[in-house]
Amino acid sequence: AQSVAQPEDQVNVAEGNPLTVKCTYSVSGNPYLFWYVQYPNRGLQFLLKYITGDNLVKGSYGFEAEFNKSQTSFHLKKPSALVSDSALYFCAVSVSGNTGKLIFGQGTTLQVKP
Amino acid sequence: DTAVSQTPKYLVTQMGNDKSIKCEQNLGHDTMYWYKQDSKKFLKIMFSYNNKELIINETVPNRFSPKSPDKAHLNLHINSLELGDSAVYFCASSLRTGVNEQFFGPGTRLTVL
Repeated sequence: AQSVAQPEDQVNVAEGNPLTVKCTYSVSGNPYLFWYVQYPNRGLQFLLKYITGDNLVKGSYGFEAEFNKSQTSFHLKKPSALVSDSALYFCAVSVSGNTGKLIFGQGTTLQVKP
Repeated sequence: DTAVSQTPKYLVTQMGNDKSIKCEQNLGHDTMYWYKQDSKKFLKIMFSYNNKELIINETVPNRFSPKSPDKAHLNLHINSLELGDSAVYFCASSLRTGVNEQFFGPGTRLTVL
């Protein structure tokens, strides 16, 4: 079965420091991986996706993610965190087939302190 | 213009009632989705339609019935509401099926008393 795990419920980082939000996946076949962000009382917003090609994917708001096939990971990173990055982050995997079905991780709350 | 809109934003109702949530997208997308986010923020897909055709139907109680009158609209009707139905329901759309980014609506917070 396809699954996604985000091992940290919360990540705390100081403004200006680099941040990493971890994600590991388990799929049969090729993984199609996504990161979404949810601000309080809002819907999810797409940040980036990995389909194929370069393992380092760049996305919105200065975020990037590194696909690592051997470690089955897709960690989200940003070189310098902003207080405004504080939100709930979801990793997701697209299930095989063409339905567009996404399986989401449990979410990681990112807290960036001034 | 709001890309994916949902009405109402908040819905408070009694157990046993029937309610509907409406969703509209003005992005010209072919595919629309309903997700449920529970109190622990866990997000799970419920249904998906592509060009008015049901393509994803997860293990959801049959009290939940989606309806897509056209590809820009996907409504969710819930019969005989139960306490466990309390959640935030998100509508989303994507250009087509497959590995496309999904655009989410603002959510409808349903509270069943």
